Amino acid sequence: DGGITQSPKYLFRKEGQNVTLSCEQNLNHDAMYWYRQDPGQGLRLIYYSQIVNDFQKGDIAEGYSVSREKKESFPLTVTSAQKNPTAFYLCASSPDRGNEQFFGPGTRLTVL
Amino acid sequence: GEDVEQSLFLSVREGDSSVINCTYTDSSSTYLYWYKQEPGAGLQLLTYIFSNMDMKQDQRLTVLLNKKDKHLSLRIADTQTGDSAIYFCAEIHYSGAGSYQLTFGKGTKLSVIP
Repeated sequence: DGGITQSPKYLFRKEGQNVTLSCEQNLNHDAMYWYRQDPGQGLRLIYYSQIVNDFQKGDIAEGYSVSREKKESFPLTVTSAQKNPTAFYLCASSPDRGNEQFFGPGTRLTVL
Repeated sequence: GEDVEQSLFLSVREGDSSVINCTYTDSSSTYLYWYKQEPGAGLQLLTYIFSNMDMKQDQRLTVLLNKKDKHLSLRIADTQTGDSAIYFCAEIHYSGAGSYQLTFGKGTKLSVIP
């Protein structure tokens, strides 16, 4: 059953802690993306990767970091430098960089 | 930069048609997309249209593209309560160095009244 999985679905962290959100896909897609969604704001691109071992900053990369060591995996770390991390985080993948993107179910991060 | 605009809310009665509108600024967009998001879930790709097309129909969904006015619309025929969701318009554009990005509108929340 092919798809994109994100874990956990809900995540709570204390202020000042780093946290890593998981994103895995078994669609054999080359490109992967991380978005942040806030109410009334639509989706904003954090980071994207078009190939293993390569990634680029999106529009709001400050306070976040990523890695792409395997084609299937694109974890996102929300660092303590991110001033307002509470949001819904969506991971997506695409078979090629110019194609449509397919989304995972999302992780809701709440900072206490 | 690229921008995609949508109205934020739409309310329709069950059985009526819904029309969700979108305007975009990048005339070089090759594909335009409609995504659906149900509460607490990810985005589901509904349909897309290539920029050299005027219309695309897929069961209850009709997409109209006016490239001159940079206007995209999604019509849902015989709207059902299960269609209640947020609908996002998105356009893909070349962002340089061999990269492509999607720019999303802020989403239109469709409420279907039984």
